[in-house]
Amino acid sequence: QVQLVQSGAEVKKPGASVKVSCKASGYTFTSYYIHWVRQAPGQGLEWLGIINPSGGNTTYAQKFQGRVTMTSETSTSTVYMELSSLRSEDTAVYYCAREHESYHFDYWGQGTLVTVSS
Amino acid sequence: FMLTQPLSVSESPGKTVTISCTRSSGSIASNYVQWYQRRPGSAPITVIYEDSQKPSGVPDRFSGSIDSSSNSASLTISGLKTEDEADYYCQSYDSSSVVFGGGTKLTVL
Repeated sequence: QVQLVQSGAEVKKPGASVKVSCKASGYTFTSYYIHWVRQAPGQGLEWLGIINPSGGNTTYAQKFQGRVTMTSETSTSTVYMELSSLRSEDTAVYYCAREHESYHFDYWGQGTLVTVSS
Repeated sequence: FMLTQPLSVSESPGKTVTISCTRSSGSIASNYVQWYQRRPGSAPITVIYEDSQKPSGVPDRFSGSIDSSSNSASLTISGLKTEDEADYYCQSYDSSSVVFGGGTKLTVL
């Protein structure tokens, strides 16, 4: 069965960076794009960007360009999302999600809580 | 572009509710719309994809449609059950980005 398993919760200070992992299993890793989405407390869902695990091509949301980096590691079927220059507004649950077709996210990771606090 | 949803809707069990999602620019028909259900503490799950398609396991009570005249998409849930109480998000895309609506809190009372 398809599974996306994310790394555990993180607490970071303002200005630091965080790197969240998303390990895929149950399907051919390089056949599906992976997106990252976050949800801040009391807010809606927000898209951060997309990575093609086959080749590593990325597209980032304009809001996060310059601060976000997505990478993939085919040997371990894992994608990573690194967000730098963290501020309190980056406190959120971060999700990875697999794109089936037409930007339909059919499987989601369990979410990783990132807390930014001094 | 933006997708605008009502903040909240409420209805009684057994009734029908419709949640709208209006696209601010560009045609709603140009790019597929998805609908996700999110319960507290859980990851979102798809209830409608590609405007009106239902994943296996989603009850027939859920349906989706688009209306080009109002440039909007709609999620309709009939025969409401208390278990349908959740946040619902529409989502679409263009050539460079993915956009979510702000979410609608459905209360079944």
